[in-house]
Amino acid sequence: LAKTTQPISMDSYEGQEVNITCSHNNIATNDYITWYQQFPSQGPRFIIQGYKTKVTNEVASLFIPADRKSSTLSLPRVSLSDTAVYYCSRGGGADGLTFGKGTHLIIQP
Amino acid sequence: DAGVTQSPTHLIKTRGQHVTLRCSPISGHKSVSWYQQVLGQGPQFIFQYYEKEERGRGNFPDRFSARQFPNYSSELNVNALLLGDSALYLCASSQSGRWGEQYFGPGTRLTVT
Repeated sequence: LAKTTQPISMDSYEGQEVNITCSHNNIATNDYITWYQQFPSQGPRFIIQGYKTKVTNEVASLFIPADRKSSTLSLPRVSLSDTAVYYCSRGGGADGLTFGKGTHLIIQP
Repeated sequence: DAGVTQSPTHLIKTRGQHVTLRCSPISGHKSVSWYQQVLGQGPQFIFQYYEKEERGRGNFPDRFSARQFPNYSSELNVNALLLGDSALYLCASSQSGRWGEQYFGPGTRLTVT
Protein backbone atom coordinates (compact mmCIF):
# COMPACT_ATOMS: atom_id res chain seq x y z
CA LEU A 1 0.00 0.00 0.00
CA ALA A 2 1.45 3.33 -1.04
CA LYS A 3 1.94 5.67 1.91
CA THR A 4 3.02 9.25 2.28
CA THR A 5 4.83 10.01 5.54
CA GLN A 6 5.88 13.38 6.93
CA PRO A 7 6.80 14.78 10.37
CA ILE A 8 3.86 15.60 12.59
CA SER A 9 5.16 19.00 13.63
CA MET A 10 8.05 21.43 13.25
CA ASP A 11 9.04 24.68 14.93
CA SER A 12 11.11 27.51 13.51
CA TYR A 13 11.67 31.24 13.81
CA GLU A 14 10.89 34.19 11.59
CA GLY A 15 13.49 34.75 8.89
CA GLN A 16 14.76 31.18 8.92
CA GLU A 17 14.64 28.67 6.08
CA VAL A 18 12.39 25.70 6.78
CA ASN A 19 12.73 22.31 5.10
CA ILE A 20 9.99 19.70 5.41
CA THR A 21 10.75 16.22 4.09
CA CYS A 22 8.17 13.67 3.00
CA SER A 23 8.72 10.03 2.14
CA HIS A 24 6.51 8.35 -0.45
CA ASN A 25 7.26 4.68 -0.92
CA ASN A 26 5.98 2.82 -3.97
CA ILE A 27 5.55 6.05 -5.87
CA ALA A 28 4.18 5.28 -9.33
CA THR A 29 5.87 6.34 -12.53
CA ASN A 30 3.04 8.71 -13.43
CA ASP A 31 2.74 10.29 -9.99
CA TYR A 32 3.53 13.96 -9.47
CA ILE A 33 4.48 15.28 -6.03
CA THR A 34 2.52 18.28 -4.85
CA TRP A 35 2.66 20.28 -1.63
CA TYR A 36 -0.28 22.14 -0.14
CA GLN A 37 -0.69 24.62 2.71
CA GLN A 38 -3.82 24.62 4.84
CA PHE A 39 -5.07 27.11 7.41
CA PRO A 40 -7.86 26.27 9.86
CA SER A 41 -11.33 26.18 8.30
CA GLN A 42 -9.93 26.62 4.78
CA GLY A 43 -9.25 24.32 1.86
CA PRO A 44 -5.68 23.35 1.00
CA ARG A 45 -3.76 25.92 -1.06
CA PHE A 46 -1.43 24.77 -3.83
CA ILE A 47 2.22 25.61 -3.13
CA ILE A 48 4.39 23.75 -5.60
CA GLN A 49 4.50 20.64 -7.76
CA GLY A 50 7.29 18.58 -9.25
CA TYR A 51 8.20 15.27 -10.83
CA LYS A 52 11.97 15.06 -10.26
CA THR A 53 15.04 17.21 -9.54
CA LYS A 54 14.36 20.76 -8.38
CA VAL A 55 11.48 23.12 -8.93
CA THR A 56 11.32 26.70 -7.68
CA ASN A 57 8.54 29.27 -7.71
CA GLU A 58 8.00 32.59 -5.99
CA VAL A 59 7.16 31.06 -2.61
CA ALA A 60 9.02 27.74 -2.30
CA SER A 61 11.42 25.20 -3.73
CA LEU A 62 10.87 21.49 -4.10
CA PHE A 63 13.73 18.99 -4.17
CA ILE A 64 13.11 15.47 -5.44
CA PRO A 65 15.97 12.95 -5.59
CA ALA A 66 16.48 10.64 -8.54
CA ASP A 67 14.72 7.67 -6.88
CA ARG A 68 11.69 9.89 -6.14
CA LYS A 69 11.08 8.11 -2.83
CA SER A 70 11.14 11.39 -0.95
CA SER A 71 10.71 15.10 -1.48
CA THR A 72 11.69 18.20 0.46
CA LEU A 73 9.72 21.41 0.55
CA SER A 74 11.90 24.42 1.27
CA LEU A 75 10.37 27.67 2.52
CA PRO A 76 12.86 30.56 2.49
CA ARG A 77 12.75 33.24 5.21
CA VAL A 78 9.50 32.19 6.87
CA SER A 79 7.20 34.64 8.64
CA LEU A 80 4.53 34.26 11.31
CA SER A 81 1.88 33.95 8.58
CA ASP A 82 3.51 30.73 7.38
CA THR A 83 2.21 28.98 10.49
CA ALA A 84 -0.07 26.33 8.99
CA VAL A 85 -0.37 22.64 8.16
CA TYR A 86 1.67 21.53 5.16
CA TYR A 87 0.62 18.45 3.21
CA CYS A 88 2.72 16.38 0.89
CA SER A 89 0.74 14.51 -1.77
CA ARG A 90 1.47 12.11 -4.59
CA GLY A 91 -0.89 11.32 -7.35
CA GLY A 92 -1.67 10.11 -10.77
CA GLY A 93 -4.11 7.81 -12.44
CA ALA A 94 -7.38 6.51 -11.07
CA ASP A 95 -6.32 6.52 -7.43
CA GLY A 96 -6.44 10.30 -7.06
CA LEU A 97 -4.11 12.28 -4.82
CA THR A 98 -2.76 10.54 -1.73
CA PHE A 99 -2.04 12.96 1.08
CA GLY A 100 0.18 12.60 4.10
CA LYS A 101 -1.19 13.39 7.56
CA GLY A 102 0.31 16.87 7.41
CA THR A 103 3.08 18.73 9.18
CA HIS A 104 2.05 21.39 11.69
CA LEU A 105 4.59 24.18 11.15
CA ILE A 106 4.77 26.75 13.93
CA ILE A 107 6.76 29.92 13.34
CA GLN A 108 7.79 31.91 16.37
CA PRO A 109 8.94 35.56 16.53
CA ASP B 1 -11.12 35.57 -10.86
CA ALA B 2 -13.42 33.55 -8.61
CA GLY B 3 -11.93 30.44 -7.08
CA VAL B 4 -13.66 27.15 -6.45
CA THR B 5 -16.94 27.69 -4.64
CA GLN B 6 -18.84 25.19 -2.53
CA SER B 7 -22.26 25.17 -0.93
CA PRO B 8 -23.45 24.98 1.70
CA THR B 9 -20.69 26.09 4.05
CA HIS B 10 -21.99 24.08 6.98
CA LEU B 11 -24.60 21.37 7.27
CA ILE B 12 -26.07 19.34 10.11
CA LYS B 13 -27.83 16.08 9.31
CA THR B 14 -29.20 13.13 11.24
CA ARG B 15 -28.06 9.53 10.83
CA GLY B 16 -29.82 7.80 7.95
CA GLN B 17 -30.53 11.00 6.05
CA HIS B 18 -29.25 11.95 2.61
CA VAL B 19 -27.08 14.97 1.73
CA THR B 20 -26.14 16.77 -1.48
CA LEU B 21 -23.07 18.99 -1.65
CA ARG B 22 -22.37 21.33 -4.55
CA CYS B 23 -19.24 22.63 -6.19
CA SER B 24 -18.51 25.17 -8.93
CA PRO B 25 -15.03 24.92 -10.43
CA ILE B 26 -12.76 27.74 -11.52
CA SER B 27 -13.87 29.11 -14.88
CA GLY B 28 -12.23 27.09 -17.65
CA HIS B 29 -11.52 24.08 -15.46
CA LYS B 30 -13.10 20.88 -16.74
CA SER B 31 -12.13 18.50 -13.95
CA VAL B 32 -13.61 18.30 -10.46
CA SER B 33 -12.46 16.05 -7.64
CA TRP B 34 -14.01 15.41 -4.25
CA TYR B 35 -12.14 14.71 -1.01
CA GLN B 36 -13.15 13.93 2.55
CA GLN B 37 -11.05 15.41 5.34
CA VAL B 38 -11.61 14.11 8.83
CA LEU B 39 -10.33 16.35 11.63
CA GLY B 40 -6.59 15.99 12.07
CA GLN B 41 -6.06 14.00 8.87
CA GLY B 42 -5.13 14.75 5.30
CA PRO B 43 -7.81 14.78 2.60
CA GLN B 44 -8.90 11.41 1.24
CA PHE B 45 -9.83 11.05 -2.41
CA ILE B 46 -13.45 10.17 -3.18
CA PHE B 47 -14.07 10.87 -6.90
CA GLN B 48 -12.68 12.61 -9.93
CA TYR B 49 -14.79 13.75 -12.87
CA TYR B 50 -13.48 15.06 -16.16
CA GLU B 51 -15.68 16.22 -19.00
CA LYS B 52 -18.71 14.82 -17.16
CA GLU B 53 -17.30 11.31 -16.89
CA GLU B 54 -16.06 9.56 -13.77
CA ARG B 55 -12.30 9.14 -14.12
CA GLY B 56 -11.40 7.84 -10.69
CA ARG B 57 -12.93 6.56 -7.48
CA GLY B 58 -11.39 6.20 -4.05
CA ASN B 59 -12.08 3.57 -1.40
CA PHE B 60 -15.52 4.78 -0.34
CA PRO B 61 -18.78 2.80 -0.10
CA ASP B 62 -21.53 2.94 -2.70
CA ARG B 63 -23.45 5.33 -0.44
CA PHE B 64 -21.22 7.99 -1.98
CA SER B 65 -22.01 9.09 -5.52
CA ALA B 66 -21.33 12.13 -7.66
CA ARG B 67 -21.99 13.66 -11.01
CA GLN B 68 -20.73 16.51 -13.15
CA PHE B 69 -22.98 18.77 -15.17
CA PRO B 70 -22.48 20.29 -18.65
CA ASN B 71 -21.28 23.54 -17.06
CA TYR B 72 -18.65 21.46 -15.17
CA SER B 73 -20.19 22.05 -11.76
CA SER B 74 -20.57 18.97 -9.63
CA GLU B 75 -22.63 17.38 -6.89
CA LEU B 76 -21.58 14.87 -4.25
CA ASN B 77 -24.36 12.78 -2.79
CA VAL B 78 -24.15 10.69 0.35
CA ASN B 79 -26.99 8.35 1.32
CA ALA B 80 -27.80 6.71 4.65
CA LEU B 81 -25.51 9.01 6.60
CA LEU B 82 -23.40 7.57 9.40
CA LEU B 83 -21.79 9.41 12.30
CA GLY B 84 -18.42 8.64 10.70
CA ASP B 85 -19.37 10.69 7.65
CA SER B 86 -18.89 13.85 9.70
CA ALA B 87 -16.02 15.66 7.99
CA LEU B 88 -14.97 18.56 5.81
CA TYR B 89 -15.84 17.77 2.20
CA LEU B 90 -13.51 19.44 -0.25
CA CYS B 91 -13.94 20.04 -3.93
CA ALA B 92 -10.94 20.70 -6.16
CA SER B 93 -10.82 21.74 -9.77
CA SER B 94 -8.16 21.54 -12.43
CA GLN B 95 -7.90 22.43 -16.08
CA SER B 96 -6.94 19.17 -17.61
CA GLY B 97 -7.43 16.45 -15.05
CA ARG B 98 -3.72 16.26 -14.30
CA TRP B 99 -3.83 15.10 -10.73
CA GLY B 100 -1.28 17.46 -9.20
CA GLU B 101 -2.55 20.83 -10.35
CA GLN B 102 -5.69 20.94 -8.27
CA TYR B 103 -7.15 24.04 -6.64
CA PHE B 104 -9.36 23.50 -3.61
CA GLY B 105 -12.50 25.22 -2.46
CA PRO B 106 -13.18 26.16 1.18
CA GLY B 107 -15.12 22.96 1.82
CA THR B 108 -18.46 22.02 3.32
CA ARG B 109 -18.43 21.08 6.98
CA LEU B 110 -20.88 18.18 7.45
CA THR B 111 -21.91 17.14 10.93
CA VAL B 112 -23.97 13.98 11.36
CA THR B 113 -25.77 13.57 14.68
